[in-house]
Amino acid sequence: EADIYQTPRYLVIGTGKKITLECSQTMGHDKMYWYQQDPGMELHLIHYSYGVNSTEKGDLSSESTVSRIRTEHFPLTLESARPSHTSQYLCASSDPRAEQYFGPGTRLTVT
Amino acid sequence: KNQVEQSPQSLIILEGKNCTLQCNYTVSPFSNLRWYKQDTGRGPVSLTIMTFSENTKSNGRYTATLDADTKQSSLHITASQLSDSASYICVVSDRGSTLGRLYFGRGTQLTVWP
Repeated sequence: EADIYQTPRYLVIGTGKKITLECSQTMGHDKMYWYQQDPGMELHLIHYSYGVNSTEKGDLSSESTVSRIRTEHFPLTLESARPSHTSQYLCASSDPRAEQYFGPGTRLTVT
Repeated sequence: KNQVEQSPQSLIILEGKNCTLQCNYTVSPFSNLRWYKQDTGRGPVSLTIMTFSENTKSNGRYTATLDADTKQSSLHITASQLSDSASYICVVSDRGSTLGRLYFGRGTQLTVWP
């Protein structure tokens, strides 16, 4: 079992609210990722980081932002949630062999 | 265009039976191919990873094969158990960037019935 954690696991919020999805790992990995996954669909990369103070946008356009102030912590923030943001958000980190370890995910519902 | 296609989209089998899941990809240049198991409401967990030179790799009752010439892979599950019910995702990595870009299939949803 990988040591990568996400909170909350489930979140239901109203439109316009600001939210932060937490992700932390205790493996000391430099590379971390955020993916978005809709039911029955493939994972889409929305953000990644090579290390502290390094963040990049992924392939799927996202209105979310990320930060990487500490190696172990990679939070994702939505300034103003909308129903179109309803999805599952998966955080991952990778070791030097590029093996990715995924967190349990946060299922977000915006009403 | 780099793509990963999986079939079937869903599969129902009886406990104890074997099954084979398919993955075709067009990712180039190829680095490695992975199979992940994703339980409902959880993150994917790695089952196998194969590089260009590997034809087969096993992990318990899971055996993955790779034909890099035809760009096809399969995941064979032997003597299925109820706990095998999950989505199985094929993921291909390219060598074109330092990120090791991953291309995900949509997964095969496997249901094992008692």
